[in-house]
Amino acid sequence: SQQGEEDPQALSIQEGENATMNCSYKTSINNLQWYRQNSGRGLVHLILIRSNEREKHSGRLRVTLDTSKKSSSLLITASRAADTASYFCATAGTYKYIFGTGTRLKVLA
Amino acid sequence: GAGVSQTPSNKVTEKGKYVELRCDPISGHTALYWYRQSLGQGPEFLIYFQGTGAADDSGLPNDRFFAVRPEGSVSTLKIQRTERGDSAVYLCASSSSGGGSYNEQFFGPGTRLTVL
Repeated sequence: SQQGEEDPQALSIQEGENATMNCSYKTSINNLQWYRQNSGRGLVHLILIRSNEREKHSGRLRVTLDTSKKSSSLLITASRAADTASYFCATAGTYKYIFGTGTRLKVLA
Repeated sequence: GAGVSQTPSNKVTEKGKYVELRCDPISGHTALYWYRQSLGQGPEFLIYFQGTGAADDSGLPNDRFFAVRPEGSVSTLKIQRTERGDSAVYLCASSSSGGGSYNEQFFGPGTRLTVL
């Protein structure tokens, strides 16, 4: 079963706009990670935020974590057509990762 | 190798047959994970190896599924008496984590299994 749920399920924006995706989860975590997947194959790790962190940046990515609400958000600024992909959050317990259902992002050139 | 590799990339089999899917993790990575991903869904955890032992196999759907990692590197996922519902992309990931999920996972490209 999957713990996380991403919202929205699908998002379509114009190149240059910002994209925001949200993830909600159910149980306590050690950390939360965001991954990108192109064409339904291998996933690429984007960013990891630990349970005692509230915000983290990496290039055009900004992730927030609110453990009291059991939610996280991923913001992609100044989106590009190459950002078109599915994005998943993964919550990590002791050693097990549980992935959400994903947000399919489409960036129109 | 430079990354996680999986073979074959595609496997088509008939219902009832036996299949083996192989994963070569990044050299030196002690943690290895298998996931199954159905169309439109996120990866679903199957099994986690720390070294040679399966630390958590709670995600294996039934006893038709089995995985090994005899030397602590390459892993094989084995599916007996395949069913059409087993059709999915099977993903393997490795991590340098030594017992906690504190590091990123590196994913292979996956094996697309189709059971006719």
